[in-house]
Amino acid sequence: DAGVIQSPRHEVTEMGQEVTLRCKPISGHNSLFWYRQTMMRGLELLIYFNNNVPIDDSGMPEDRFSAKMPNASFSTLKIQPSEPRDSAVYFCASSPGLVADTQYFGPGTRLTVL
Amino acid sequence: KQEVTQIPAALSVPEGENLVLNCSFTDSAIYNLQWFRQDPGKGLTSLLLIQSSQREQTSGRLNASLDKSSGRSTLYIAASQPGDSATYLCAVRQISGYSGGGADGLTFGKGTHLIIQP
Repeated sequence: DAGVIQSPRHEVTEMGQEVTLRCKPISGHNSLFWYRQTMMRGLELLIYFNNNVPIDDSGMPEDRFSAKMPNASFSTLKIQPSEPRDSAVYFCASSPGLVADTQYFGPGTRLTVL
Repeated sequence: KQEVTQIPAALSVPEGENLVLNCSFTDSAIYNLQWFRQDPGKGLTSLLLIQSSQREQTSGRLNASLDKSSGRSTLYIAASQPGDSATYLCAVRQISGYSGGGADGLTFGKGTHLIIQP
């Protein structure tokens, strides 16, 4: 299996622009998670889905952030409009779906908002 | 709200030493605890997963223990090697508060940055 796939790997944009991050989970995994990593706050859970349904989005920082999972093999995290403080590494992870399961992380998208 | 703390924040030791990384968490209502390794500019690699009913897990030179009642876990690395240099992250999976049951996403500590000197 190719593992969790994220694109793009790097994104540089200007403040105010819309940013869309993409994730393809491991085939057969039922749970998908979006995390953000910054030097100040470490790794934080933003939102997670189970069977394509958002379960907990309490970690989404503001209404500027939205996430979708239209099918079992694809998810997006959108920031509109982007701000410099959104600069971070965004990770997507998936797991088979059982509570005891390991989460498998993608390589991350490094976002820089100028 | 669950809080995960890792001590020390950074550690530098000579090659060959045995070492212990510490992790503590405030809420013992967890499903499991996981140790990850992160190399610079890379994603996370899972090292060990301990279920809440278990006391320890071993993989090669790594041994992780869990004391759920006291909210502590340790990662023991035997005979350290320069290739072990990385940031080690501890994360707990909380028992979900939503009615469907199951578990929430992971709550991470800020990590221990480990350097093994050749």
